[in-house]
Amino acid sequence: NAGVTQTPKFQVLKTGQSMTLQCAQDMNHNSMYWYRQDPGMGLRLIYYSASEGTTDKGEVPNGYNVSRLNKREFSLRLESAAPSQTSVYFCASSGTGNSPLHFGNGTRLTVT
Amino acid sequence: QKEVEQNSGPLSVPEGAIASLNCTYSDRGSQSFFWYRQYSGKSPELIMFIYSNGDKEDGRFTAQLNKASQYVSLLIRDSQPSDSATYLCAVKGDFNKFYFGSGTKLNVKP
Repeated sequence: NAGVTQTPKFQVLKTGQSMTLQCAQDMNHNSMYWYRQDPGMGLRLIYYSASEGTTDKGEVPNGYNVSRLNKREFSLRLESAAPSQTSVYFCASSGTGNSPLHFGNGTRLTVT
Repeated sequence: QKEVEQNSGPLSVPEGAIASLNCTYSDRGSQSFFWYRQYSGKSPELIMFIYSNGDKEDGRFTAQLNKASQYVSLLIRDSQPSDSATYLCAVKGDFNKFYFGSGTKLNVKP
């Protein structure tokens, strides 16, 4: 039972490079999320997808794009990485009603 | 902007004591409340959830909810060094969005 799987685990980019973080869940959840976590800032929502076919901005969407490829997969793209995007990124999913968030293992991204 | 507030700590307690972690939230319409534990370098893991006013107990953990005061707390009885971690309070709002506090770091001293 894999839960939420995100790749890669670590990534180093140079300023201006692009990359896509991949996320997949096998719990048949409708909603998927991308968060970033910085020291002292807690978890901040970048984008979320309440259901297949929809995406919405969270608190800190600038510099990111997302694609809800199907019910299982939700990717996060950095088109032109900046040092301010150095962070730990978590993908998560949730069912409806009172269902909690289930997190992936995270991606540690460093932009130099 | 919906807000969830936690004392960042660190909260230090001796082994065997009760640790009390607190959280306040701004959205009076919130219905679901969660506590996650996060070890350094790891992802958050769910330890408790509560939906109704009052207390909910699970082993050494008790979650308390007071919707009138917009207050959620987590009590950890018989604290162990392995409980040392950051505890995140989360509130589920409209459209399945979750809002997190910045976390309280707990240190349990042997």
